Amino acid sequence: EAGVAQSPRYKIIEKRQSVAFWCNPISGHATLYWYQQILGQGPKLLIQFQNNGVVDDSQLPKDRFSAERLKGVDSTLKIQPAKLEDSAVYLCASRPVYANTGELFFGEGSRLTVL
Amino acid sequence: DQQVKQNSPSLSVQEGRISILNCDYTNSMFDYFLWYKKYPAEGPTFLISISSIKDKNEDGRFTVFLNKSAKHLSLHIVPSQPGDSAVYFCAASGGAQKLVFGQGTRLTINP
Repeated sequence: EAGVAQSPRYKIIEKRQSVAFWCNPISGHATLYWYQQILGQGPKLLIQFQNNGVVDDSQLPKDRFSAERLKGVDSTLKIQPAKLEDSAVYLCASRPVYANTGELFFGEGSRLTVL
Repeated sequence: DQQVKQNSPSLSVQEGRISILNCDYTNSMFDYFLWYKKYPAEGPTFLISISSIKDKNEDGRFTVFLNKSAKHLSLHIVPSQPGDSAVYFCAASGGAQKLVFGQGTRLTINP
């Protein structure tokens, strides 16, 4: 079974520029998450989708971050305009609906550097 | 509000000995606790979990212990191997089925 796919793996931009990250979850996984991991910290949830609906976006900085999952499969996370403090690894994760242990399957992440 | 805490940023253990990683939490509504392992430039991978109704779960060299009264869990790795060198994240899950992570502990296994 193919894992969670993310692209790009690395991105370097200047502050105030925009960037977009793409995620394709494991086939059949209805729930998709975007996490932000700043160096030296644990992953922090940005947004959770159930199919194409948002379950939780309480920690998403909505003035600059947006995310969508239009067809309930792949998802895009956008940052516009980027700030220096957005430098982090953006992790996409998915899980099947039937799972009840809390286990998430993570992609390799997209590392963003804002200069 | 840090709901899941790993107070040791790093741990160094001799190969063959036991590694013990600790985690504390504050939210008594968490119903599952998980440990993830992360190598550089890779995403976190699931290692082992425990339900809040249990106090121990074992999988090969890995054992997780849960002390609900102390709101504390620990991961034991025995014997430790060089390939165990990684960052370990403790995570907790509640009804919304999202994971709340600790800050991570970098484990180094010395030959």
